[in-house]
Amino acid sequence: QVQLVQSGAEVKKPGASVRVSCKTSGYSFTAYYLHWVRRAPGQGFEWMGWINPTSGDSKLAPKFQAGVTLTRDTSTSTAYLELTSLTPDDTATYYCAKERTRGYSNGPTDHWGQGTLVIVSS
Amino acid sequence: DIQMAQSPSSLSASVGDRVTITCQASQGVSFHLNWFQQKPGKAPTLLIYDASTLETGVPSRFSGSGSGTHFTLTISSLQPEDIATYYCQQYDSLPPYTFGQGTNVEIK
Repeated sequence: QVQLVQSGAEVKKPGASVRVSCKTSGYSFTAYYLHWVRRAPGQGFEWMGWINPTSGDSKLAPKFQAGVTLTRDTSTSTAYLELTSLTPDDTATYYCAKERTRGYSNGPTDHWGQGTLVIVSS
Repeated sequence: DIQMAQSPSSLSASVGDRVTITCQASQGVSFHLNWFQQKPGKAPTLLIYDASTLETGVPSRFSGSGSGTHFTLTISSLQPEDIATYYCQQYDSLPPYTFGQGTNVEIK
């Protein structure tokens, strides 16, 4: 079955960087775009961006174009979200989510990772 | 960015009641709308996509309708396991693909 398993919670100091992993299984990793979504405490969901696992191309929402990098490792079917220059405003749960439709970047997401809590605090 | 206004923010209903949640987009998104269910401590699960298509495995008491700017999610007969927060999300052409603020559904 399709599974997206994310790395564990992180506590970071302001100015630090963090990398969140999303290890996938149960489907063809390169056939489906992966999205990243976050939810800050008391806030709604924010779509951050997607990555094309085949090409490595990514697209980020304007809000996240600074300090966010999406990458992937096709040999391990794993996607990564890297956040740099962290501030307390980056405290959130970060989710990866698989695009439902093969080859599409703007469709429904049918499987989500369990979420990774990143806390930024001095 | 397209804004998604979801209402109500919370509701309380009895088991067996019909429940309706609405989502209004600030501009037309055609039929490019998802509905998700999220239970505490869990990731969201897809209920409905393309505004009205039921995801595989989702009970038929859930239904979606609408297009353009106005959408509804209906639970025809509320069950105890439906206690959750429900979110709409638009995915029309250009990102970002924005979410509604959520509707918390409780049992009366």
